[in-house]
Amino acid sequence: AQSVAQPEDQVNVAEGNPLTVKCTYSVSGNPYLFWYVQYPNRGLQFLLKYITGDNLVKGSYGFEAEFNKSQTSFHLKKPSALVSDSALYFCAVSPLSGGYNKLIFGAGTRLAVHP
Amino acid sequence: DVKVTQSSRYLVKRTGEKVFLECVQDMDHENMFWYRQDPGLGLRLIYFSYDVKMKEKGDIPEGYSVSREKKERFSLILESASTNQTSMYLCASITGQGTADTQYFGPGTRLTVL
Repeated sequence: AQSVAQPEDQVNVAEGNPLTVKCTYSVSGNPYLFWYVQYPNRGLQFLLKYITGDNLVKGSYGFEAEFNKSQTSFHLKKPSALVSDSALYFCAVSPLSGGYNKLIFGAGTRLAVHP
Repeated sequence: DVKVTQSSRYLVKRTGEKVFLECVQDMDHENMFWYRQDPGLGLRLIYFSYDVKMKEKGDIPEGYSVSREKKERFSLILESASTNQTSMYLCASITGQGTADTQYFGPGTRLTVL
């Protein structure tokens, strides 16, 4: 079965420190990979995506993600965390089969950045 | 800027009521989706539509139906609301059929069924 795993329910980081939010996936073939962020009482906002090419993808708000095919991972990173980065982060994959741009989401990781 | 709007941010209904959640997008997107979001479960696809009057079941369609009479509007219907349908409901839209495209989400409707 196709799935996305975000192994950490919550990640705590001090402001100014680097952050990593982990994501691994299990789908056949080479899927497209996405990160979304959700601030309190808001919908999901697109951060970045990996389609093909360079394994390091840069996105909004200084975030980047590294695609690792051998480890089937797509971890989200930021060199220096801000308190305003505190939110719920979702990793998602779009399998190449099935069409219609369907996404499979992970359970989400809550990022808490402390002053 | 893509804009996806949902008719209500918060909704409280009673068990057995018929509930309508509406979603409108202003970017002429072909595909529209309804998800529910629950803590620890992420987003789960309820239904999607790839064209007017066309619909496909997602992963958890039981207890829900949908309607798409116009391209910009996609409605989710709870025929007889139950307490286990208390959740956050998110609508999304996307252009075309290419799986590299980005889904754009509405602000969500938090539904409470008493």
